[in-house]
Amino acid sequence: DARVTQTPRHKVTEMGQEVTMRCQPILGHNTVFWYRQTMMQGLELLAYFRNRAPLDDSGMPKDRFSAEMPDATLATLKIQPSEPRDSAVYFCASVGEGSSTDTQYFGPGTRLTVL
Amino acid sequence: GQQLNQSPQSMFIQEGEDVSMNCTSSSIFNTWLWYKQDPGEGPVLLIALYKAGELTSNGRLTAQFGITRKDSFLNISASIPSDVGIYFCAGQLGLTGTASKLTFGTGTRLQVTL
Repeated sequence: DARVTQTPRHKVTEMGQEVTMRCQPILGHNTVFWYRQTMMQGLELLAYFRNRAPLDDSGMPKDRFSAEMPDATLATLKIQPSEPRDSAVYFCASVGEGSSTDTQYFGPGTRLTVL
Repeated sequence: GQQLNQSPQSMFIQEGEDVSMNCTSSSIFNTWLWYKQDPGEGPVLLIALYKAGELTSNGRLTAQFGITRKDSFLNISASIPSDVGIYFCAGQLGLTGTASKLTFGTGTRLQVTL
């Protein structure tokens, strides 16, 4: 059963600390999205990659956030330094190349709390 | 960022009742999708719509792509307790097969009572 996996599932940290979230897309999927979900803003796109190259990161605060795909099986989202307003659930999703339906498969999310 | 407006924001219904929710946008989309999110999980795709005016069913779910391409609705017939969750609409501007980014709605929280 192919699934998107994310680690950690929960993270509590103090303001100013670095946070790294990881995502393993479904094997063979070449497009990876990072979303942030909060009560106030809902689901927002932060960035997405195709074939490991960033296509759009306009939704991401560049001063503290960075997203990379070191290889085809790993996407990372890093926040440095973290702030309380970064508290949210962060989802990644992946889509297969040539998908006729563009179905984005979401991971279970990382719930981040910054104190 | 842009968000799609969904209504209602939340609803309580009794098991067996039909449910309707809709989603509107100020701009057009080429694809409309409906997702459901259970607590502690990521959204899961329910239905995808690719053509203006298209009406698509998936079991007890029926969704329509508005003629103007600026709206969509989702109906759930004969609701059951496991329909509880948050339903999101999403619009994709890019053409099918381009795996382009989605804009999500504000969500409709559905609670079903026995």
